[in-house]
Amino acid sequence: GNSVTQMEGPVTLSEEAFLTINCTYTATGYPSLFWYVQYPGEGLQLLLKATKADDKGSNKGFEATYRKETTSFHLEKGSVQVSDSAVYFCALLTQGGSEKLVFGKGTKLTVNP
Amino acid sequence: DGGITQSPKYLFRKEGQNVTLSCEQNLNHDAMYWYRQDPGQGLRLIYYSQIVNDFQKGDIAEGYSVSREKKESFPLTVTSAQKNPTAFYLCASSATTVRNSPLHFGNGTRLTVT
Repeated sequence: GNSVTQMEGPVTLSEEAFLTINCTYTATGYPSLFWYVQYPGEGLQLLLKATKADDKGSNKGFEATYRKETTSFHLEKGSVQVSDSAVYFCALLTQGGSEKLVFGKGTKLTVNP
Repeated sequence: DGGITQSPKYLFRKEGQNVTLSCEQNLNHDAMYWYRQDPGQGLRLIYYSQIVNDFQKGDIAEGYSVSREKKESFPLTVTSAQKNPTAFYLCASSATTVRNSPLHFGNGTRLTVT
């Protein structure tokens, strides 16, 4: 079946450090891929997405590239801030008419000043 | 401001009681969704609705029921048949389909059943 595997957290970094959160997926065909972020006490919000192989999604300094050959969509940021502390979810949506987003388990990031 | 309102933020019930979680949106979105979030797990889809008076089961619909009588409202009832109802429940909406427009989430309701 379709699934998303994220690196286990929690991840703790110092401000201005480089961030990578790994995400790999299993799906038939060519899914669309997403990163959602959940700030403390809030619901999730879309951070970025990519809909086809080699697409790069980017937003707020975060980037992720859709790699079909490695079935991956790793999230990166060159210099994290305290305000980036949140839980990050990788998700996929399979081809076709399905409305079912499949989410990973989430990776909690804490950035210390 | 447009958004999704879930109420209450915290809800406590005794085992064997049905409980209804409220979700209202003023974004004029067509589609609405209910997810369940458990510690250390991703979000799992309970029910979704793409149009008024129509809804579909998600991956874990057993023990839950929904209605969509108005475009802006999508209440979720957790019935006594749900074996493990204690969880964090998130409501979401999208303008059209989740493929073409992002999900907008409410701030969630934490349900505790004892």
